[in-house]
Amino acid sequence: DTAVSQTPKYLVTQMGNDKSIKCEQNLGHDTMYWYKQDSKKFLKIMFSYNNKELIINETVPNRFSPKSPDKAHLNLHINSLELGDSAVYFCASSQDLYPEAFFGQGTRLTVV
Amino acid sequence: AQKVTQAQTEISVVEKEDVTLDCVYETRDTTYYLFWYKQPPSGELVFLIRRNSFDEQNEISGRYSWNFQKSTSSFNFTITASQVVDSAVYFCALSEEGGFGNEKLTFGTGTRLTIIP
Repeated sequence: DTAVSQTPKYLVTQMGNDKSIKCEQNLGHDTMYWYKQDSKKFLKIMFSYNNKELIINETVPNRFSPKSPDKAHLNLHINSLELGDSAVYFCASSQDLYPEAFFGQGTRLTVV
Repeated sequence: AQKVTQAQTEISVVEKEDVTLDCVYETRDTTYYLFWYKQPPSGELVFLIRRNSFDEQNEISGRYSWNFQKSTSSFNFTITASQVVDSAVYFCALSEEGGFGNEKLTFGTGTRLTIIP
């Protein structure tokens, strides 16, 4: 069973479109995250949720809106996609008191 | 602010050689956590190890070992008798104490390790 799973794995879309990435974890963790990995492989946190509550919101454009319907799911919706949004987006989860995050396989987003 | 520096951008070694990946960190917190992650060519991020700031014991797991030294703010990773499957990008990361969603990983820029058969 996959612990943290994201869909889709690849996403190619045109500028200006709106798209969503879904993430689910079956580890029973309380916290979920979105990280972005740019073309130079640099990883940076975007958001974190703890039990459906937004905790970390880094300086991310308002076009990015996370949603956590329950603590096992965290989705990322992106409006009006721009070329600069092209990256790999990783979902992750961790358990309270155990700070190591477990990552999904990533979603490679390409905006053309 | 916290910072992680991996000065080695790329390393290539011949199979069966030992290799050490360096990691230097900066933080103002007295309680923090250090991590290593592996990103193989397939792209996923694999958790390898976590060390707590109050535990400076070195750790060995098979061919992998980690050397944590607070005096030099370093958390280095050694692979002994390297194998082709070790080829990957390795990230060192730091998290300050938070809890309940406040732990965010600050990653280094990664070291691309290539093992030559």
